[in-house]
Amino acid sequence: DVKVTQSSRYLVKRTGEKVFLECVQDMDHENMFWYRQDPGLGLRLIYFSYDVKMKEKGDIPEGYSVSREKKERFSLILESASTNQTSMYLCASSLDRVVTDTQYFGPGTRLTVL
Amino acid sequence: RKEVEQDPGPFNVPEGATVAFNCTYSNSASQSFFWYRQDCRKEPKLLMSVYSSGNEDGRFTAQLNRASQYISLLIRDSKLSDSATYLCVVNRDDKIIFGKGTRLHILP
Repeated sequence: DVKVTQSSRYLVKRTGEKVFLECVQDMDHENMFWYRQDPGLGLRLIYFSYDVKMKEKGDIPEGYSVSREKKERFSLILESASTNQTSMYLCASSLDRVVTDTQYFGPGTRLTVL
Repeated sequence: RKEVEQDPGPFNVPEGATVAFNCTYSNSASQSFFWYRQDCRKEPKLLMSVYSSGNEDGRFTAQLNRASQYISLLIRDSKLSDSATYLCVVNRDDKIIFGKGTRLHILP
C-alpha cells in the first residue's frame, strides 16, 4: 500500500519566515508533485520532479522553491512566507512518467501565514 | 475556456437515487482521464480510471465521449457515504490537469 506522508498537518508561520514542507513516499515512486488547494480555485500545481535533483515548474511556482536530494523525499520551500500563501498544501507521487499513472496524495498540510 | 470544467454543485440527492455529472475538457489531444474522490478535509484518492469503452465498478460507471470531449460519472443507488467532492483529472503529454470538483451531498 502506497504511503505518502507530510511533515505537519497544521502549521502557523509569520510573514517573512522561511517555511519548509516535507513530503516522503515509501514506494520508490519516480515522480513527486506539490499542489496547493484553495476554495474556488481547485488544485494548482506548484512544482514537480521526475527524478532526484530534477525539478520542473508547475502552474504557480512564484514564491516557492523545491528540493529533491533523495528519491523518496520532496521538499517545498517558501523563502519568505506571505499571507497569500495561506493554503492547503498537498504532496503527491506517482510510479512512472506515463500519463495513465495514478497519483497518490499525502494528507495535506494546512499552512496559515499571519 | 478552461482546460477542464466541472459543475461545482452542490448536487443534493436523496439516498438511493441515481446521480450523474460530467466534466468537459477543451484539448482534443488529452490522453487519459480519471475520477478522484475527495472527502471533506482529506486528500484526493483515485476513484476510477475512465476508459474509451467505458467502465463500471460496482455502483459507479464512468464514460468517455471523445467526440464531444467530456467524461461522465454515474452513481447508482447512492449511499450517504458517497457524499464527497468528485474531481475530474485529464492528462495530456506530461501535463496533469485537475478540475475544481463537483460537490455531492447525499441526503438521508
